[in-house]
Amino acid sequence: AQSVAQPEDQVNVAEGNPLTVKCTYSVSGNPYLFWYVQYPNRGLQFLLKYITGDNLVKGSYGFEAEFNKSQTSFHLKKPSALVSDSALYFCAVKKAAGNKLTFGGGTRVLVKP
Amino acid sequence: GAVVSQHPSWVICKSGTSVKIECRSLDFQATTMFWYRQFPKQSLMLMATSNEGSKATYEQGVEKDKFLINHASLTLSTLTVTSAHPEDSSFYICSAREGANSYNEQFFGPGTRLTVL
Repeated sequence: AQSVAQPEDQVNVAEGNPLTVKCTYSVSGNPYLFWYVQYPNRGLQFLLKYITGDNLVKGSYGFEAEFNKSQTSFHLKKPSALVSDSALYFCAVKKAAGNKLTFGGGTRVLVKP
Repeated sequence: GAVVSQHPSWVICKSGTSVKIECRSLDFQATTMFWYRQFPKQSLMLMATSNEGSKATYEQGVEKDKFLINHASLTLSTLTVTSAHPEDSSFYICSAREGANSYNEQFFGPGTRLTVL
């Protein structure tokens, strides 16, 4: 079975400070990892993904994530948070061979001015 | 980016009636579409996966006769909740994936909130 853990229900950060949203996963075989963001009354938006290659993945809106195989983690980061980054963030994993995408419980990010 | 629409965005129905939700990929062809359910303050749970022109694959615990899925074209999938009951009230979200590669990201619709009275 595959699973994703996002240990923090909420992350509070001041605008301009670095933002980190944690994610660990469990899956058999090679993982495909994804980050999505959900704004109120809008669908999930794709941020970035890791498939293979460089462990540091850069995505939309200045976000990046680092794949760490030994720690089975895929933490999302942004060097300088904006108030507009306040949203609900989901980490997701799937087996390389398979369709099912399993989501973490989500982490709400609140960026204060 | 790729756009996925859902219709309706919200629906209220009486217990025992059926409700159909449409999911459309607007600017790409979706070989595979997915239907999720999201409970308040919880994550998305995959209900079923459908490939164009074939029967949907349902996740364990999801009643296929209750949640009818049709993926008749590369841009349209429908979810019909049959004989709806209050416990079916939820937020239903579809997603679509372009092409056959499983590493392609899914693009999500805005969701449909179903309330069964």
